[in-house]
Amino acid sequence: EVQLVESGGGLVQPGRSLRLSCTASGFTFGDYAMSWFRQAPGKGLEWVGFIRSKAYGGTTEYAASVKGRFTISRDDSKSIAYLQMNSLKTEDTAVYYCTRVTVGSVIDWFDPWGQGTLVTVSS
Amino acid sequence: QSALTQPASVSGSPGQSITISCTGTSSDVGSYNLVSWYQQHPGKAPKLMIYEVSKRPSGVSNRFSGSKSGNTASLTISGLQAEDEADYYCCSYAGSSTFDVVFGGGTKLTVL
Repeated sequence: EVQLVESGGGLVQPGRSLRLSCTASGFTFGDYAMSWFRQAPGKGLEWVGFIRSKAYGGTTEYAASVKGRFTISRDDSKSIAYLQMNSLKTEDTAVYYCTRVTVGSVIDWFDPWGQGTLVTVSS
Repeated sequence: QSALTQPASVSGSPGQSITISCTGTSSDVGSYNLVSWYQQHPGKAPKLMIYEVSKRPSGVSNRFSGSKSGNTASLTISGLQAEDEADYYCCSYAGSSTFDVVFGGGTKLTVL
């Protein structure tokens, strides 16, 4: 069974850092791009960023709202994607989801999604 | 990129059919057959329901179908069931780069 499990969420003070993990199983992790999304309470889905597979250079893209503060990385040997979040703001409070990205010639769809991990930024 | 436009809410009675629209532009929905739809129940993770405009992943009921006309994609749910009550999001490739996508703001489906 293809599965993604996020971990690492919690309560953190503004300005501090937090690292989320997304552990994959049931597929060859290194063959896929991975993406992070977030969903603030009562709001819609917001794309946070991507990391390409090594075949596409393993490079990253970020939403403007997190660029320069958040960093996505991957460890293919452990089948884990990471989201390093620095200089956290109260508006970063959200449930964070990781998802596998299917790419044909260009990005196609997101499936599956993890169950999400809640990050609360508050003093 | 601007978000795709979805109605905030739609509703229908059990057994009826409903359609959720997703309007983009000639740069995204209108140019590529790369529209996907996601269902999200409260407190749950999103689930892929439709990809490449009209294809259903294995395990998704054939009551769900997708289509596209011009710059507008649509998700139709036939034979509405109580379990279909959820939020639905559309997504489209947006063309600026290999990884350029745009999402809709979501539609809340209420089964009356």
